[in-house]
Amino acid sequence: AQSVTQLDSQVPVFEEAPVELRCNYSSSVSVYLFWYVQYPNQGLQLLLKYLSGSTLVKGINGFEAEFNKSQTSFHLRKPSVHISDTAEYFCAVIENTGNQFYFGTGTSLTVIP
Amino acid sequence: DSGVTQTPKHLITATGQRVTLRCSPRSGDLSVYWYQQSLDQGLQFLIQYYNGEERAKGNILERFSAQQFPDLHSELNLSSLELGDSALYFCASSVTAGVGGELFFGEGSRLTVL
Repeated sequence: AQSVTQLDSQVPVFEEAPVELRCNYSSSVSVYLFWYVQYPNQGLQLLLKYLSGSTLVKGINGFEAEFNKSQTSFHLRKPSVHISDTAEYFCAVIENTGNQFYFGTGTSLTVIP
Repeated sequence: DSGVTQTPKHLITATGQRVTLRCSPRSGDLSVYWYQQSLDQGLQFLIQYYNGEERAKGNILERFSAQQFPDLHSELNLSSLELGDSALYFCASSVTAGVGGELFFGEGSRLTVL
């Protein structure tokens, strides 16, 4: 069965410091990968996605993620965070033959002034 | 604004009651997904509809049911409510039934069962 693991439930980081949010998945087939962000009292919105092609994907708000097939990972990075990046971040996976999205349990990013 | 509309935004009710949550997908999207988000369970997939037909079912309780109407809006019915059903319920829509179609989320319906 497919699963998504976000090992870090909470990540505090100082403003302007770099951050990496980790995501690992398990699947026996090819997958498509997504990162979503949820700001307080809002729905989830797409940050970036990997469907095919270059394994380094750039998204909105300066975020990027790298797909590593051998390590079954899709870690999210930002070189310099802002206060406004404080939010919950979710990694999601869907198999290339499937129709169900699997979400991780989320990582709460808190940017400290 | 994702284009997905959910009503009501907030709902407070008592145990044993029944509620209906409504979702209007983005214009042109045929697929609707329902998710439950609670503090201890994270984002749980409940059910998916595509063009009026049930396509996938997740961890949806028997007390819960859903449907997608011909105009593509969807309703999630929750009955015999329990305290543990208190959660944020999200609807998401997609153009396709899955592959290649990213999800667009509504702002959610917050259900509080007292």
